Amino acid sequence: SQQGEEDPQALSIQEGENATMNCSYKTSINNLQWYRQNSGRGLVHLILIRSNEREKHSGRLRVTLDTSKKSSSLLITASRAADTASYFCATDASNTGKLIFGQGTTLQVKP
Amino acid sequence: EAQVTQNPRYLITVTGKKLTVTCSQNMNHEYMSWYRQDPGLGLRQIYYSMNVEVTDKGDVPEGYKVSRKEKRNFPLILESPSPNQTSLYFCASSLSGTSGIEQYFGPGTRLTVT
Repeated sequence: SQQGEEDPQALSIQEGENATMNCSYKTSINNLQWYRQNSGRGLVHLILIRSNEREKHSGRLRVTLDTSKKSSSLLITASRAADTASYFCATDASNTGKLIFGQGTTLQVKP
Repeated sequence: EAQVTQNPRYLITVTGKKLTVTCSQNMNHEYMSWYRQDPGLGLRQIYYSMNVEVTDKGDVPEGYKVSRKEKRNFPLILESPSPNQTSLYFCASSLSGTSGIEQYFGPGTRLTVT
């Protein structure tokens, strides 16, 4: 069953601008993870935020989690052309390591 | 280098011809999983394995088989492929199957069934 819904589906910005992607989910979760996928390649883990955390930073990435609204956002600051990729949120609601992925946001950063 | 490898990377086959996609990880991970990725549907889990000889169905297991005889390998078997199994397949692994651990993904296998 689909858990995460991402918004927008596609985003196009200029280099240097910030990019914000949103993820909404339906059930209670243990944690939420964000992954990046370059075209046709495997997914790469970016950041994990636990259900008792509200915000987390990693380099130019900032993730927020609002469990009352069942939503998360990923902010990429000062974007670069190399950030062009698809970004997926994945929710972890079980104790079996199972992740349920959203459909992803395709980000294009124009040089 | 720590990695998850998959073979083949690309495969075109015909309906009904049995095939196996191999997956191997060199990180001594306990947990391994197979996903398929289809446009508009994101990634969906096919099967997963918590450890050697322990496998279980994911969300879309129909038409697939797996085995986990060794810790490092987790092959995906399509006994009688059909065109609706045309997809991009990813193998992933993580240290364990407990919550809150990142998964490492292979490069993907693009399968076309005609």
